[in-house]
Amino acid sequence: NAGVTQTPKFRILKIGQSMTLQCTQDMNHNYMYWYRQDPGMGLKLIYYSVGAGITDKGEVPNGYNVSRSTTEDFPLRLELAAPSQTSVYFCASSYLPGTGTTNEKLFFGSGTQLSVL
Amino acid sequence: AQKVTQAQTEISVVEKEDVTLDCVYETRDTTYYLFWYKQPPSGELVFLIRRNSFDEQNEISGRYSWNFQKSTSSFNFTITASQVVDSAVYFCALSEIPSLAGSYQLTFGKGTKLSVIP
Repeated sequence: NAGVTQTPKFRILKIGQSMTLQCTQDMNHNYMYWYRQDPGMGLKLIYYSVGAGITDKGEVPNGYNVSRSTTEDFPLRLELAAPSQTSVYFCASSYLPGTGTTNEKLFFGSGTQLSVL
Repeated sequence: AQKVTQAQTEISVVEKEDVTLDCVYETRDTTYYLFWYKQPPSGELVFLIRRNSFDEQNEISGRYSWNFQKSTSSFNFTITASQVVDSAVYFCALSEIPSLAGSYQLTFGKGTKLSVIP
């Protein structure tokens, strides 16, 4: 019953460093998402993917890159970390939406807390 | 543009009291989804409910109930007989109904922190 797994759980970066946040799901979901949650705020969509090889920008994509080479994995890359990227990052996945089924809910990972100093 | 407002930043109740969390939304879409998520102190987001805009029937699940009123653009969440384990941040969210080629792009409120005191 792994669901959506994110690694690492915590990370501290220096300004200008790069890193990749890993996300994997074992539910064979086509749809995957990356959100960030700033203190006291709701989540904002960074990037999403509708299937392997297909990605698109969300509301706040600047400073991030993604790839989706497999159905299971959806890594998020920060190339030049900036203090504004200090946040909690959530990966999520879902079944194909728009089908009218009750399974169309988002499954979230436990989050990665990132600090850029 | 879509917007979700959760006016209550923090609420404290004594165990066994009922509590209602408010959610007001704005959207130009005629059909949409509304969601509630729970974020306990451990940090993960837990899905509670998804409601279609064309289904205004209220829903009850155990101690949880949801009151959807399209006329006032509200989707309020009530916890009956609250328990300490209900202590969490609760998020209301809104999404257009995606096409088969689309996906969810949720707009979240800022959340309401609920503290249930024993």
